[in-house]
Amino acid sequence: AQSVTQPDIHITVSEGASLELRCNYSYGATPYLFWYVQSPGQGLQLLLKYFSGDTLVQGIKGFEAEFKRSQSSFNLRKPSVHWSDAAEYFCAVGARRDGANNLFFGTGTRLTVIP
Amino acid sequence: DAGVTQSPTHLIKTRGQQVTLRCSPKSGHDTVSWYQQALGQGPQFIFQYYEEEERQRGNFPDRFSGHQFPNYSSELNVNALLLGDSALYLCASSLAGLGNTIYFGEGSWLTVV
Repeated sequence: AQSVTQPDIHITVSEGASLELRCNYSYGATPYLFWYVQSPGQGLQLLLKYFSGDTLVQGIKGFEAEFKRSQSSFNLRKPSVHWSDAAEYFCAVGARRDGANNLFFGTGTRLTVIP
Repeated sequence: DAGVTQSPTHLIKTRGQQVTLRCSPKSGHDTVSWYQQALGQGPQFIFQYYEEEERQRGNFPDRFSGHQFPNYSSELNVNALLLGDSALYLCASSLAGLGNTIYFGEGSWLTVV
């Protein structure tokens, strides 16, 4: 069965500092992997996705993520955080068999950005 | 181009009642999925509709049912509401097939009292 673990419930970073949000997944085959962001009271916005090919994926708003099969990880990074990045971040895995329309989400990491 | 739209945005129901939530997919999309997001949790997959049929279902009881119309819009129905059904209900749409991006609406907040 698929599962996603986001070990950090809450992270606080200073504006301009670098950011890394951790995500580990469990799945029997090569998964589809996603990062979504959710601002308070809003729906989910896709930041980036990995299906195949280059394991370093570039997304919107300056985010990137690296797929590491050996570590079952898909960590999200940003070199310089902006105050507007404060939000909840969700990692998700989609099953290839299911056509990637069925997503399993982690419990999320809440990002706080301080001046 | 409108994205995924959901209605209503907020509603309050009494335990034991029934509720219907509505979703219009992004233009051109033919597949609709529903997710439940409890406070402080990640979204959980309820079910997916394609070609007006339920194609996949998550671990939710039969009290949760749905429908997809010929114009691809969808409804989520929940019967015999429990306090634990209080959550944000998210609709997501995409084109059928591997590799297509899934877009989410802003959700419907349901409070059961």
